Amino acid sequence: GIQVEQSPPDLILQEGANSTLRCNFSDSVNNLQWFHQNPWGQLINLFYIPSGTKQNGRLSATTVATERYSLLYISSSQTTDSGVYFCATNAGGTSYGKLTFGQGTILTVHP
Amino acid sequence: DAGVTQSPTHLIKTRGQQVTLRCSPKSGHDTVSWYQQALGQGPQFIFQYYEEEERQRGNFPDRFSGHQFPNYSSELNVNALLLGDSALYLCASSSPPGGTQYFGPGTRLTVL
Repeated sequence: GIQVEQSPPDLILQEGANSTLRCNFSDSVNNLQWFHQNPWGQLINLFYIPSGTKQNGRLSATTVATERYSLLYISSSQTTDSGVYFCATNAGGTSYGKLTFGQGTILTVHP
Repeated sequence: DAGVTQSPTHLIKTRGQQVTLRCSPKSGHDTVSWYQQALGQGPQFIFQYYEEEERQRGNFPDRFSGHQFPNYSSELNVNALLLGDSALYLCASSSPPGGTQYFGPGTRLTVL
């Protein structure tokens, strides 16, 4: 099945700093989503972005499907951005609908 | 517009027991997927239900089974619980099956 790798595994920032999280995947994808998991375990949708670039406030994401990677940018980070960020994909075909998650990036933002 | 809901929030069981978890999808969604998230790991796909049938299944034993009702809500059943089944169980809904998945708050299962 498809492999999903995220980097870095851990990231520590001061409030106000910018950061880039990376997601590499091993096959062409029909769906790519970025999530933020809060301390209570809730997965919050950030982006659905199988290709192209999207922006939502201080967050933006870019997926280059032909090169099999996606990037999540966080600008002017805030303490509330802390948590675990996951990317997840499905490869289509017989895996249609099955999301495969990366191991996540743990982001800590200090005041 | 209610999002995905799950019940119960927390559950404690002992080894060998059976458990049933419940999920109601987001309004307008007809597909429900279940995931298991062990501590420190990313969620792992268990199975997906669409039109009341299991359409996709991950690498989980037959002790894990499910059901989807005509109103699109779903249940996850786990028999003969093992200590290793302790995890956060997440339900997601979508429409169509390959579309954007929205997750519920999860059920935290502890097996003693």
